Amino acid sequence: EDQVTQSPEALRLQEGESSSLNCSYTVSGLRGLFWYRQDPGKGPEFLFTLYSAGEEKEKERLKATLTKKESFLHITAPKPEDSATYLCAVQARNQGGSEKLVFGKGTKLTVNP
Amino acid sequence: DAGVTQSPTHLIKTRGQHVTLRCSPISGHKSVSWYQQVLGQGPQFIFQYYEKEERGRGNFPDRFSARQFPNYSSELNVNALLLGDSALYLCASSLAVEQFFGPGTRLTVL
Repeated sequence: EDQVTQSPEALRLQEGESSSLNCSYTVSGLRGLFWYRQDPGKGPEFLFTLYSAGEEKEKERLKATLTKKESFLHITAPKPEDSATYLCAVQARNQGGSEKLVFGKGTKLTVNP
Repeated sequence: DAGVTQSPTHLIKTRGQHVTLRCSPISGHKSVSWYQQVLGQGPQFIFQYYEKEERGRGNFPDRFSARQFPNYSSELNVNALLLGDSALYLCASSLAVEQFFGPGTRLTVL
């Protein structure tokens, strides 16, 4: 069964203090790994798609990387507006046409000014 | 461009009632998926529809059903509501691999 585990569950940083969020996954043939940002009471906002080990994507202060077993979301010099829950999800190949995403529980990031 | 829209925003129902949630995908997107998100958890897959055909179904009881219309909008129906159905219901649309989510419908069952 496809599974995603995110750590830590919660992370508090000072503004400017860089860190990384972890997403470990097991999937029967990875089609894609996705990172989303979710603000309280709102829908997830798409950030990145990673397809194969060694791939990296960047957007502003965020950088996502992928290995065969895990993905990292690196946050460089975070600002208070980066506070949110970050969700990781995987999509498996060979699901009979289904595009089902399997999500982790998320990491709640708080950046203090 | 308009993103995924969902209605209503909030809904309060009592146990045993029925509810219909609605979703309009991004223009040009033919695939719509539904997810349930309970507080403190990640979204869980309920259904996916593509070109009005069901492409996938998650581990949810038969009380949950959905359909997609010719204009690619979709409805999620839940019968005989239980307290445990209280959650944020998310709709996502896709054109290729990436799924883009709407703001969700917050359902409270009393």
